[in-house]
Amino acid sequence: VRLQESGPGLVKPSQTLSLTCIVSGDSISSGGYYWSWIRQHPGKGLEWLGYIDDSGSTHYSPSLKSRVILSVDTSKNQFSLKLSSMTAADTAVYYCAAAVFGHYFGSGGHYYYLEHWGQGTLVPVSS
Amino acid sequence: QSVLTQPPSASGPPGQRVTISCSGNSSNIGRNTVNWYQQFPGTAPKLLIYSSDLRPSGVPDRFSGSKSGTSASLAISGLQSEDEAEYFCAAWDGSLNSPVFGGGTKLTVL
Repeated sequence: VRLQESGPGLVKPSQTLSLTCIVSGDSISSGGYYWSWIRQHPGKGLEWLGYIDDSGSTHYSPSLKSRVILSVDTSKNQFSLKLSSMTAADTAVYYCAAAVFGHYFGSGGHYYYLEHWGQGTLVPVSS
Repeated sequence: QSVLTQPPSASGPPGQRVTISCSGNSSNIGRNTVNWYQQFPGTAPKLLIYSSDLRPSGVPDRFSGSKSGTSASLAISGLQSEDEAEYFCAAWDGSLNSPVFGGGTKLTVL
C-alpha cells in the first residue's frame, strides 16, 4: 500500500487547509484499513488528527474535532482532510496513513497501529 | 506535553544493547497494546513494532518490544550506526478514545 499526500504549499491564517491522500496498491473499499491523518510540528512529536473508514464513518481527535472534517472518495481511491481556522500553531508536516484498528475479545483492549505512511507534506501557515 | 513518557535521548556504542522506555497509565498502555515507530530526519515514521511485541515483515529481529503493566520497552540489540534515529511509542487511550504518542527518543550510536 502506498500513500501520497497532495495539497497547497502554504496556507494563510484563518483559511481552511485541504489535503488529499491518494492510495495505490490497495482499494480503499477493501475494508482492511482505517484511513488516518497525523501531523508533526517542526522538531516535535506526533499528533493524531482522526480516521475515516471505507463506509465514511469518522473518528476525530477530541482536541481538534470542532475543526476537522475527513471524507473519502472511493471512486478515486483517495481520502481527504479539511482543517479550518488555521493559525501559525497548525504549521506542521501532515501525514496520511493506513491504520489497523480493532479490539481484543475478552480483555476489551484495543490495538491501533499505523502500518503504512505517506511521505508527508509540510504546511506552513503564514500571511 | 505528550501523554506517554519517553526519555528524550538514548545512546550506545555499536554492538551494544539499548532499551528505550515508554510509560503510560491504566487507560492506555495498561489496557491496550503498544506500537513503536522509527523515524529518520526528513522522512515519515515507519512501523517498527506493533501489538507490543510483533515485528512487521522486513524489520530485523534485533528490534524487540515488551510490555508490563503501564510501561513498555523497545530493545535494540547489536546496535548499528544505521539505527541512529528517533523512536516513538504509541497506544490507544480508552479515556481519550484516541491514540496517544510518546514525545520521542533520539538514539545516538556512539
